[in-house]
Amino acid sequence: DGGITQSPKYLFRKEGQNVTLSCEQNLNHDAMYWYRQDPGQGLRLIYYSQIVNDFQKGDIAEGYSVSREKKESFPLTVTSAQKNPTAFYLCASSIGGTANNEQFFGPGTRLTVL
Amino acid sequence: DAKTTQPNSMESNEEEPVHLPCNHSTISGTDYIHWYRQLPSQGPEYVIHGLTSNVNNRMASLAIAEDRKSSTLILHRATLRDAAVYYCILRDVFAGGTSYGKLTFGQGTILTVHP
Repeated sequence: DGGITQSPKYLFRKEGQNVTLSCEQNLNHDAMYWYRQDPGQGLRLIYYSQIVNDFQKGDIAEGYSVSREKKESFPLTVTSAQKNPTAFYLCASSIGGTANNEQFFGPGTRLTVL
Repeated sequence: DAKTTQPNSMESNEEEPVHLPCNHSTISGTDYIHWYRQLPSQGPEYVIHGLTSNVNNRMASLAIAEDRKSSTLILHRATLRDAAVYYCILRDVFAGGTSYGKLTFGQGTILTVHP
């Protein structure tokens, strides 16, 4: 089955630790995205990548880093510089980034920093 | 980005049609109208999108006003599995820079379906 996988589903970390969230897709999509969702809120864009070895900051990139070494993988690292890292993190992909393309979302990772 | 306005919540009974409205009075000629929904503790799911003409797919129908300042997502027969937050989103054809491909989610409409 084609789709997007994110692991783990739940993640707990101590304050001050970096943590990396996994996102893999087998849809052969060029574009990938990371969003953050806080309780009762809509999604906000953290980073996006249009193609392998290229990525751009979104609206709330501070305290986060990404890499795009392979087409199917777009891991997100939440660094200790992120002041409020507890949130629901969602990865998405699309064929391209145009307005006529739908985005496919993974199941999300719920990160809790203690 | 052009903004959308949706009711905070709506209720429906199972097997009845549901009409979810969205106002987008500042829409530009190059904005596509997208609808996504999000079930509790899951990632959003694409529902439908359109530009000017009404659209139908296996999940829903999208009715777009002639002046494009409003649209309505129609679920023809609501089921309990349709209970979710529904988001109406505008996406500009010419969006670039940090807007590339971005979906800007508002508060959405919480749809409750009663058995």
